[in-house]
Amino acid sequence: GAVVSQHPSRVICKSGTSVKIECRSLDFQATTMFWYRQFPKQSLMLMATSNEGSKATYEQGVEKDKFLINHASLTLSTLTVTSAHPEDSSFYICSASNGGDTGELFFGEGSRLTVL
Amino acid sequence: DAKTTQPPSMDCAEGRAANLPCNHSTISGNEYVYWYRQIHSQGPQYIIHGLKNNETNEMASLIITEDRKSSTLILPHATLRDTAVYYCIVRVLENAGNMLTFGGGTRLMVKP
Repeated sequence: GAVVSQHPSRVICKSGTSVKIECRSLDFQATTMFWYRQFPKQSLMLMATSNEGSKATYEQGVEKDKFLINHASLTLSTLTVTSAHPEDSSFYICSASNGGDTGELFFGEGSRLTVL
Repeated sequence: DAKTTQPPSMDCAEGRAANLPCNHSTISGNEYVYWYRQIHSQGPQYIIHGLKNNETNEMASLIITEDRKSSTLILPHATLRDTAVYYCIVRVLENAGNMLTFGGGTRLMVKP
């Protein structure tokens, strides 16, 4: 089945630094990828829709200058958390569709960010 | 997409069937019912989906009522590894793929 991979799976950084998370579709091309954030014991919240070759679409309340998304190729989207603060500590998950007729979305393993 | 309502938590004995209900009374005719689950600290995993007929695959069965206002996900023989949060989501099927909106889900605890 289709595979989506994220890297790194865990990252710890100091407050004020920037962190980049990669999301790759390993065996299919994805024109659209989605970035979610999940705080402890809460559900997944959509942050933004990443579109290959164009600007990402952000959900209300998500700062586009803080969460930079780049979707430069059909198999790679990156999320950069700029000037990270402790409140940005969360589980970040990406997903993508292979365009199949099931409408199934494939999710990455998630990346846990801890900002000290 | 239509809203869904699920119980926040359920327990199930290992080896028994786990029946997870979902209400989606405002579902429209072209919306499918999807089930995903999320094991702790992992990304969600697709389980099954259906429109109006009951569906079965190697993981689970999906029973959709005739009026489509509710459905039940059945794990026939729950194991400890089935402990997870199960999400019921309804949405229109699009070939290009569309984002999923997650509700609270049901936290299933399978106990020995």
